[in-house]
Amino acid sequence: AQSVTQLGSHVSVSEGALVLLRCNYSSSVPPYLFWYVQYPNQGLQLLLKYTTGATLVKGINGFEAEFKKSETSFHLTKPSAHMSDAAEYFCAVSGPARQLTFGSGTQLTVLP
Amino acid sequence: SQTIHQWPATLVQPVGSPLSLECTVEGTSNPNLYWYRQAAGRGLQLLFYSVGIGQISSEVPQNLSASRPQDRQFILSSKKLLLSDSGFYLCAWSRDRGTADTQYFGPGTRLTVL
Repeated sequence: AQSVTQLGSHVSVSEGALVLLRCNYSSSVPPYLFWYVQYPNQGLQLLLKYTTGATLVKGINGFEAEFKKSETSFHLTKPSAHMSDAAEYFCAVSGPARQLTFGSGTQLTVLP
Repeated sequence: SQTIHQWPATLVQPVGSPLSLECTVEGTSNPNLYWYRQAAGRGLQLLFYSVGIGQISSEVPQNLSASRPQDRQFILSSKKLLLSDSGFYLCAWSRDRGTADTQYFGPGTRLTVL
């Protein structure tokens, strides 16, 4: 079985500051990991995903995430926050039944 | 390119009324299809998924049902809505490439049951 824990349901950063959104997972099989972003009243958009190979994954809008097997983590980062990054972010892990298990989400607020 | 549509975008229904939400995918064939519900302040809960016409798997027992009458059409239904059915319903699709495949989401339907 898979599970995802996102630490911090709300994160606030100043514009231009580092964004760090935390995600820890558990999986009974080698995990495939995803980060999605959701703007208000919209569907989810894929930011990036890790399957195999390089553990540092680059995504859209300047985001990246690093898969750390020893820490069972897949934290999302961006060096410099922009006002347009304000949204809710979901980490997800894919299991053997082709399903995604999502974390409960982190609401990112960017302060001017 | 592929697109996914959901309608209606918003819906307000009284308790005990029926429900039908529709999802269609364009630009691909034989997609895997999914229904999720997102309640306020909570993550996404997988309700149903389908790997083909007439093939529906339910993840949690509930007041809802799903059908796939055509390859690229996925319908979420209820005979009698409950207050607890309120939420944001998202449809998603993926290609049949195993567990690493990305799911692509529709714009969602906001359902309010009064």
